Amino acid sequence: AQTVTQSQPEMSVQEAETVTLSCTYDTSENNYYLFWYKQPPSRQMILVIRQEAYKQQNATENRFSVNFQKAAKSFSLKISDSQLGDTAMYFCAFMKWGKTQGGSEKLVFGKGTKLTVNP
Amino acid sequence: DAGVTQSPTHLIKTRGQQVTLRCSPISGHKSVSWYQQVLGQGPQFIFQYYEKEERGRGNFPDRFSARQFPNYSSELNVNALLLGDSALYLCASSFETGGYQETQYFGPGTRLLVL
Repeated sequence: AQTVTQSQPEMSVQEAETVTLSCTYDTSENNYYLFWYKQPPSRQMILVIRQEAYKQQNATENRFSVNFQKAAKSFSLKISDSQLGDTAMYFCAFMKWGKTQGGSEKLVFGKGTKLTVNP
Repeated sequence: DAGVTQSPTHLIKTRGQQVTLRCSPISGHKSVSWYQQVLGQGPQFIFQYYEKEERGRGNFPDRFSARQFPNYSSELNVNALLLGDSALYLCASSFETGGYQETQYFGPGTRLLVL
C-alpha cells in the first residue's frame, strides 16, 4: 500500500516571497504520478501540478515548481512570488500509473499543509 | 468547458436517514471516483466507476453504494447515516486512453452534515 506524508501541518509566508512545502511517499511501484492539489476555503480541489515518475525533469507551472527526488521518495512544491490567492490547504497525492486492466487507480492523499500568505 | 459538477452543495440529515449525492463528469471523461474528506484530513477513496462498472472500492462499509449511468454521471448513496458520515464528499472525473487513467479533476463537493 502507498502512503503519503506531509510533515508540515501549517506554514506561512509573506506576499511576494518563496515557500516550499514538503511531501514524502512510500511505494514499491515504479510507475506513478505525483500531484499537488490546492483546496482554498471555497473547498474546490484544484490541480496545481503533476509529475510523472518516469520523467527526470521537474515539472513547472508558472510560479509553481516541484523538486522530485525519486530515490529519496520526496516531492516538494515551491511557490515563488507568493500571492494572497495562494492561501489554501495544499495536498500531495500519489496515483499508480499503468494499464488499469479493469482495476482502479485511486489517489492517495497526505493530510495536507495549510498555507497562509500574509500581506 | 464545464468542469465536474455536484449536487446538492449542502445537505443536512439526521441519523438513520439515507442520502443520495450526484455528480456529472467533465465531457468526454468516462471514469468517476468518489472521495470522503472529513474535517482536517485528506480525501479518502470510496469508489471508482468506469463505463458503468465498479472498478474499485475503498475501505467503507456496505452502507455506501454507488452507480454510474449511461451518460457517465454518477450517484453515491449512503444508507443508515451515522454522525461520523458528516464530511465533504468529492467527486472526480478522469479520461482514460489505451487503458491508462489520466489526471483526476474534482468537483466542488457536497457538504453533508448528519445530526
